[in-house]
Amino acid sequence: TQLLEQSPQFLSIQEGENLTVYCNSSSVFSSLQWYRQEPGEGPVLLVTVVTGGEVKKLKRLTFQFGDARKDSSLHITAAQPGDTGLYLCAGALLKTSYDKVIFGPGTSLSVIP
Amino acid sequence: DTGVSQDPRHKITKRGQNVTFRCDPISEHNRLYWYRQTLGQGPEFLTYFQNEAQLEKSRLLSDRFSAERPKGSFSTLEIQRTEQGDSAMYLCASSFSGATNEKLFFGSGTQLSVL
Repeated sequence: TQLLEQSPQFLSIQEGENLTVYCNSSSVFSSLQWYRQEPGEGPVLLVTVVTGGEVKKLKRLTFQFGDARKDSSLHITAAQPGDTGLYLCAGALLKTSYDKVIFGPGTSLSVIP
Repeated sequence: DTGVSQDPRHKITKRGQNVTFRCDPISEHNRLYWYRQTLGQGPEFLTYFQNEAQLEKSRLLSDRFSAERPKGSFSTLEIQRTEQGDSAMYLCASSFSGATNEKLFFGSGTQLSVL
């Protein structure tokens, strides 16, 4: 059972278009992160959101954490070919005094020039 | 320190052989994770350490898998009697658990192919 769901699974768009990808769960997370991964490499952290309703911007990328801290979205404005990659959301699950980070299955984005 | 390093980058082995991977985390990080990733999927949690203590091991991890972090620094992941289904990218990540928001820094992974 996936604790984190991501949609869409695949997305292919033209350069210049806008897009939004989603990350959903029935669990509450202490924090949620977005990573981007290129083929043959490890994921690279883009942003961490902590507070319910929080919005963070990173150039053309806008990240939002749901009010209940169960979901998040990533919006990309004017997508560029360099945005191509696998976008992963990851949540820190609270478990007693420890928390561990788990990942969703990812959204594979392809931006066509 | 240049980040998390993993060795080897690629490993090809025959079914039934044992393999061992190494991860060197960022030096000041006290937490170390191992994940497994197959093509087009997100990383799947295997196990993690805080210092030298192994805090959790995934139920998906069979007894053929073992991980160690003997001195709280580098870690090894061993797979005994490899099977074709073990073929995947094995990712290591480190973090500092004392930070307010845990951020994982990943290595480039070890790509395992079991023939």
